[in-house]
Amino acid sequence: EAGVAQSPRYKIIEKRQSVAFWCNPISGHATLYWYQQILGQGPKLLIQFQNNGVVDDSQLPKDRFSAERLKGVDSTLKIQPAKLEDSAVYLCASSPDTGSTEAFFGQGTRLTVV
Amino acid sequence: GQQLNQSPQSMFIQEGEDVSMNCTSSSIFNTWLWYKQDPGEGPVLLIALYKAGELTSNGRLTAQFGITRKDSFLNISASIPSDVGIYFCAGRDNAGNMLTFGGGTRLMVKP
Repeated sequence: EAGVAQSPRYKIIEKRQSVAFWCNPISGHATLYWYQQILGQGPKLLIQFQNNGVVDDSQLPKDRFSAERLKGVDSTLKIQPAKLEDSAVYLCASSPDTGSTEAFFGQGTRLTVV
Repeated sequence: GQQLNQSPQSMFIQEGEDVSMNCTSSSIFNTWLWYKQDPGEGPVLLIALYKAGELTSNGRLTAQFGITRKDSFLNISASIPSDVGIYFCAGRDNAGNMLTFGGGTRLMVKP
């Protein structure tokens, strides 16, 4: 079974630029999560989708971050404009549904803002 | 918001030693999870706990769901070099949606 796919693996941008990350969850998984992991910290949930609807985006900085999952399958996370403090690994995870315990993570996208 | 305090932040042990780490929460959780993260990879689930007092093993790993539902611990017995990595606890509250992570315990094993 293929795992959660993310791209790109690495991205370096200048502050105030825009960036987008892509995630393809495990086939059939209804729930998709985006996490931000700052170096030395645990992952922090940014947004959770159930199919193409948002379940929780309370920790998403909506002035600069946006995410969509239009067809309920793959998802994109965008930052516009980026700040230095956005440097982190952005992890995508999926699970069969909202009540499922297991969330399976992708390898993440390491973003460096200079 | 919810906070998970994980300790210790790091451990440096000799191969063959046992390891214990724990996690405490400011609120009640109904699910506790333990993950391991290797460099450059996403977290991988090790053990899931669903009931207060539950004790679950996975090979050399044993984890327990505290009876107060506000804490959990993970033990690793007879550590080996490949146990090196960062271990995270995570929990779900009664609402069942958000998965909150602790700050991680970095484990280093000396051969």
